Order: sequence, then structure tokens, then C-alpha cells
Amino acid sequence: EDQVTQSPEALRLQEGESSSLNCSYTVSGLRGLFWYRQDPGKGPEFLFTLYSAGEEKEKERLKATLTKKESFLHITAPKPEDSATYLCAVQAASNSGYALNFGKGTSLLVTP
Amino acid sequence: ETGVTQTPRHLVMGMTNKKSLKCEQHLGHNAMYWYKQSAKKPLELMFVYNFKEQTENNSVPSRFSPECPNSSHLFLHLHTLQPEDSALYLCASSRDVTDTQYFGPGTRLTVL
Repeated sequence: EDQVTQSPEALRLQEGESSSLNCSYTVSGLRGLFWYRQDPGKGPEFLFTLYSAGEEKEKERLKATLTKKESFLHITAPKPEDSATYLCAVQAASNSGYALNFGKGTSLLVTP
Repeated sequence: ETGVTQTPRHLVMGMTNKKSLKCEQHLGHNAMYWYKQSAKKPLELMFVYNFKEQTENNSVPSRFSPECPNSSHLFLHLHTLQPEDSALYLCASSRDVTDTQYFGPGTRLTVL
């Protein structure tokens, strides 16, 4: 059974304090791994898609990396506006291709 | 704005009411999805439509009834709901069923 585990559940950082969020997954054939950001009361906002081990993508202060077992979302010098819940989801190649299996998310709070 | 809109944004209904949620996408996508997001739980896929045809019903109770009249519109008809159905209902769309999914802002549903 496909599984996605995100850690930590919650993270509090000082502004400028870099850190990483983890997404561990078990899937029978990875089609893609997705990172989303979700603000309270809003829908998830797409950040990155990673398809193969070794792939990296960057956007402003965020950098996503992928190995065969996990993905990291690195946050460099975060600002208070980076506070949100970050969701990881995997899409398996073994099924018909559209089901996204989501983790529970990491709630990030960046304080001034 | 992601190009996916949902109405209403908030809905309070009794267990005997009938209501409908609406989703519209302006992205020219061919696949649309309904997800349920409950507190402290991962997003749960409910239904998938691809080119207006339902391709997935993820063991959803019959009190939830989807409708997809065209590739741009998706409805979720609700009747005789239970309090445990209170959640954030999210609509998403993608170019095809293997592509990145873009989410709407969600409808916050409360069942009394």
C-alpha cells in the first residue's frame, strides 16, 4: 500500500533560520512527487513536481529535492510570509495514474 | 488565482437539507476532481472525471452525488448528510489525469 509520511508535524522558525521539511514515501513505482503550500482556509497552491531521483527544483527561498525514498523541501532564510502548511503528495505509476496520495502536512510558523 | 473557482465558499446545512457545491475551471483542463479535507487528516480523493466521464469513485457514500456537465464545470450534490461530513471540500483540475492538479479555494461545509 502506498504511504506518505511528512515530518515534522509542526515547525517553528525564527525569520532567517533555514531548515528542511521531510516527505518519506513508499510507492510501487513513482510517477511524480508534488509539493503544495496551503494557507488557512484556502486550497493548496502548487509549488513543485519532481519525477526522478536526483531531481531538484527551486523557487525563491524554496528548494525541493528527491531521492528514491524521500523528498526534502529546503527553506532558506524564511520570512513570516512563508508560514503555511506544506503538503507532499505522490502519484504512483502502478495505478491508472491520477490518484494523488497526500501526507498530513507540515505546519510551518516563521516568527519575526 | 489558480483559475479554479468554487461556490459557495461557506455552507451551513442541516442533515435533511439538499445543497450543491459548484466548481468551475478556466484553464482548459480535461480532468476534474473532488477532494475532502478533514482536520488532522490527509486530503481524501472522492471523485475523478476525465473528459466528462467519471473514472473514479473512491468508495464515497451515496449521499454525495457528483455531476460533470462539461469539462469546465463540476458539481457535488449533497443530501441527508451527517455531522461527520463537515469538512473543507476541494475541487481540482488538471490537463490530463497524470498531470499536475490545481486546486480551488474550497467550500467550508458545516453539517448541523
